[in-house]
Amino acid sequence: GAGVSQSPRYKVAKRGQDVALRCDPISGHVSLFWYQQALGQGPEFLTYFQNEAQLDKSGLPSDRFFAERPEGSVSTLKIQRTQQEDSAVYLCASSLGPGDRETQYFGPGTRLLVL
Amino acid sequence: AQSVAQPEDQVNVAEGNPLTVKCTYSVSGNPYLFWYVQYPNRGLQFLLKYITGDNLVKGSYGFEAEFNKSQTSFHLKKPSALVSDSALYFCAVRDRGGYSTLTFGKGTMLLVSP
Repeated sequence: GAGVSQSPRYKVAKRGQDVALRCDPISGHVSLFWYQQALGQGPEFLTYFQNEAQLDKSGLPSDRFFAERPEGSVSTLKIQRTQQEDSAVYLCASSLGPGDRETQYFGPGTRLLVL
Repeated sequence: AQSVAQPEDQVNVAEGNPLTVKCTYSVSGNPYLFWYVQYPNRGLQFLLKYITGDNLVKGSYGFEAEFNKSQTSFHLKKPSALVSDSALYFCAVRDRGGYSTLTFGKGTMLLVSP
């Protein structure tokens, strides 16, 4: 069975460029999460989807960050007008159900470097 | 607000010796607790979780963790370390009282020497 996949694995962007990061969750997983992991830090929550509904976007650092999951499966995290401080690994996770006790399964991440 | 502290940036242990990676947490209610491991250039892999019941939780690859409510701790342990256990370990907490996000510690690098 396939796990969570993310693409691209690496992305180099010039400052000011827009980027789109893709996440394919485990098939049938209702919940999908995005995290940002800075160098030497633990992952930090960005946003949460239950099916196609974005229930929590409190962790998005600015209005340059936008996420969607239009059909309740694949999700895209978009960063507009990238800045150097956006350089990080972006992790996607999915869980089977919506409950707090559910285990989140993580993808390999997309490493974004903004020059 | 909920938080996790992993007081050691790095833990060094010789192969075959027992290992402990420490984690303490703070939540307003009762916690759900998780341990994940991260290998270089890879995502986080789930090891184990505490939801309810027995305070000693057994997980993947021979790891276990003990939930101690009075000390607000959830230390990760393994009786006999392997060189292949060398990786970055993250503790995470979620408050079971209502909706909350998963909050991670900063991580502890475990180095097992041959």
